[in-house]
Amino acid sequence: GQNIDQPTEMTATEGAIVQINCTYQTSGFNGLFWYQQHAGEAPTFLSYNVLDGLEEKGRFSSFLSRSKGYSYLLLKELQMKDSASYLCAVTDGDYKLSFGAGTTVTVRA
Amino acid sequence: IAGITQAPTSQILAAGRRMTLRCTQDMRHNAMYWYRQDLGLGLRLIHYSNTAGTTGKGEVPDGYSVSRANTDDFPLTLASAVPSQTSVYFCASSDSSETSGVNEQFFGPGTRLTVL
Repeated sequence: GQNIDQPTEMTATEGAIVQINCTYQTSGFNGLFWYQQHAGEAPTFLSYNVLDGLEEKGRFSSFLSRSKGYSYLLLKELQMKDSASYLCAVTDGDYKLSFGAGTTVTVRA
Repeated sequence: IAGITQAPTSQILAAGRRMTLRCTQDMRHNAMYWYRQDLGLGLRLIHYSNTAGTTGKGEVPDGYSVSRANTDDFPLTLASAVPSQTSVYFCASSDSSETSGVNEQFFGPGTRLTVL
């Protein structure tokens, strides 16, 4: 089975940095995804890590440590439009995704 | 159409009624998935299909059935709806072939279903 944990809520100020942690315990591992989901909308893909280390994509970066079962998503230079839920998901060798409950990030002016 | 579509957008259904949620993608993805999303529980996989003609059970399959007659369509059927099936349902697809790299899933806009 899969056990994926992430904080329920985080609040930050516009222009600041926020780090969303995700820990996982899984029976199989073939990569970790981060998705963004605005209220009332579908999740959209942000990043994918399969090897240890940092993947940077503009203002967003994602880190993975397979030995620790740990990932984080780093959001820099926060903007109001970044207010959303961020979903951590782990894929097994069969390409199915298991999701955490999501972290709701609120950006305040 | 471009991407993945779902119908209806929302539905209110009486308990005991039969309901089919439709999902169509035009990206020629081999794999398709159905999830339900409930507050505090995140997205949970109901059923999936790795290729046309095959289906599999996810984490919460009871009370739901699927079929995959062709590549593009993946309908989800509730044979006899119950109030606990009130949820937002998302369909997704991905290209899970060996050479496609990241294999991220693309999600449809969702169907909001209320069972009374």
